[in-house]
This record gives sequence, structure tokens and C-alpha cells, in this order.
Amino acid sequence: KNEVEQSPQNLTAQEGEFITINCSYSVGISALHWLQQHPGGGIVSLFMLSSGKKKHGRLIATINIQEKHSSLHITASHPRDSAVYICAVIRGGSNYKLTFGKGTLLTVNP
Amino acid sequence: GAGVSQSPSNKVTEKGKDVELRCDPISGHTALYWYRQSLGQGLEFLIYFQGNSAPDKSGLPSDRFSAERTGGSVSTLTIQRTQQEDSAVYLCASSFGTRETQYFGPGTRLLVL
Repeated sequence: KNEVEQSPQNLTAQEGEFITINCSYSVGISALHWLQQHPGGGIVSLFMLSSGKKKHGRLIATINIQEKHSSLHITASHPRDSAVYICAVIRGGSNYKLTFGKGTLLTVNP
Repeated sequence: GAGVSQSPSNKVTEKGKDVELRCDPISGHTALYWYRQSLGQGLEFLIYFQGNSAPDKSGLPSDRFSAERTGGSVSTLTIQRTQQEDSAVYLCASSFGTRETQYFGPGTRLLVL
């Protein structure tokens, strides 16, 4: 079993829909990252969080340390949000080493 | 300012040849990371540099892989005697320090024939 599990693996939505991508992990962590990768493109860090909630524009990330679970929400989704979203954790005891989920492929149709 | 750059962007090589991949981190970033993204495997950590030192090489897949960093800046990842299973996108990232946001380069797509 992977240490970091994401769901769903694939998600198709209509423009304007509210999107939720989930990440569960089985190890103690010191922080969690959400990353975005456009097809053929590079990786961009969206959020790094260790507790609570962060918001940036239409993106919201939450984490529940006790339940070992994080969610990434996209409000009013747009076709340009189509990308792979990757959850990655920094294990407790490490300051830097990322362990990655396999990613969620999001397609937003106009 | 400039982001993380990597070269070459694409590399096709024959099995058994050596390859060198280069990463130029963002100026002032002391931490540098190499990752590999294989088809169907997702992203995996290879090595981490703090300055010119590599305190963690645990992700390097075999002794054919090595990396160095000079002047606290440019890093090279060398793969000797390449194998077909080495085909992947090799990504470099840098950050001001550990537990800081990592900025990724565009990657080098390596194909070993």
C-alpha cells in the first residue's frame, strides 16, 4: 500500500463545478504539499501546509492531522484548471524528503 | 527573476552510454533536489543537496547514478551505462531552505533506446 493515496485518480467536471480532490497518508508528517502539473508542463507548488486551511484565489487546501487526510478544493472550476494535482508529504523527522501520491488527473470541460 | 532551469530539455541516448543532466537553481536557494517521474510510477525522490553537500542520497536507484553540486549553485546528475529503465523525466527543484516551498524546473526528458 502506498504511503500517500489520492482519490479520485481521474475526475471530469463541467466548467463552474466545485471540485474536491482527496489525499490520505499513513505516516507521520511534518508538512504536506499540493502540486499542479499541466500536460507537458512543469510542476508548480500550490500549497504547503501543516495544519488548518489555506486559500489562494479559487483554491482551498485543508488538512486534518489527526485523521491523516487533506483535501484540495477548486471553486468555480475553469478549463484552465485541467491538470494533474499531486499530493506530497514530508515525513516527520525529515525536513525535506517528499513522498508523492500518484496524482489526480482533472479535466474541466467548457 | 529567473526560475529553475534544466538542460537539456530532451535527451535521447543509446543503452550503455553515459548522460549528464544539468540544473541551475534559483539564485540564493541553498537547498536543491532531484526527482524522477517515470511513466506509471509517479514522482520519486532521488537526492537532496544542502549547499554543496548531499546528506541524503537514499533515493538514487543504483551506483550508476551520481550527482554533484558546485559553488552552492549548479548541479549535475550523471547516469552511467544507461539502461532502458532509466527512461523518465528528471526534475530538479530548489528552495531557500528545507521545509520551504520548492520551485521546480521544467525537467529533462530522457529516452534510452
